[in-house]
Amino acid sequence: DTGVSQDPRHKITKRGQNVTFRCDPISEHNRLYWYRQTLGQGPEFLTYFQNEAQLEKSRLLSDRFSAERPKGSFSTLEIQRTEQGDSAMYLCASSFSAGAETQYFGPGTRLLVL
Amino acid sequence: AQTVTQSQPEMSVQEAETVTLSCTYDTSENNYYLFWYKQPPSRQMILVIRQEAYKQQNATENRFSVNFQKAAKSFSLKISDSQLGDTAMYFCAPQGFSARQLTFGSGTQLTVLP
Repeated sequence: DTGVSQDPRHKITKRGQNVTFRCDPISEHNRLYWYRQTLGQGPEFLTYFQNEAQLEKSRLLSDRFSAERPKGSFSTLEIQRTEQGDSAMYLCASSFSAGAETQYFGPGTRLLVL
Repeated sequence: AQTVTQSQPEMSVQEAETVTLSCTYDTSENNYYLFWYKQPPSRQMILVIRQEAYKQQNATENRFSVNFQKAAKSFSLKISDSQLGDTAMYFCAPQGFSARQLTFGSGTQLTVLP
């Protein structure tokens, strides 16, 4: 079991550029979540998928953010026209939808927008 | 909607001693789960323990146990025989049956002193 993986682990970009992050969930997990964590705070929910369907999006997810999960496997999170306020750790978690649905987290992608 | 309050931003404990981290929450859901996660420095989020709200018995996982008071909406974490490796940020997070995302508190930074 390789766990949840995220790529890249670190990303530095200039304001106005687009960035894309990838998350590979645990293979048998059908749910995939994206969270954002700023320094010294707890993670905040962004969006989640069940299989390939995006079931919920937070109000935090502005129009500049888009997420996909083609074929219900890996997921990508794209941020267009990045702003300095987008600087944060982006966490991915996956789970299997049954009972106490424990979410397992990846190592995160740390984004710095200059 | 769910809210979480962790009123202790920082705590310290001597190695081998016992420490309790507090958490109160509010939720509009009748059925839900509660989780404690830990996040060591520069490392990923790890599940510590979980509690089903419909169960009266408090969950226990080795040195970790909870004191769940449903009426008071309180969910504290007790760590016995503290070890240096327990040093981390600890987050309390409820999860509703209908809204499956985790809602995290602001965390408690626990430092175990040698």
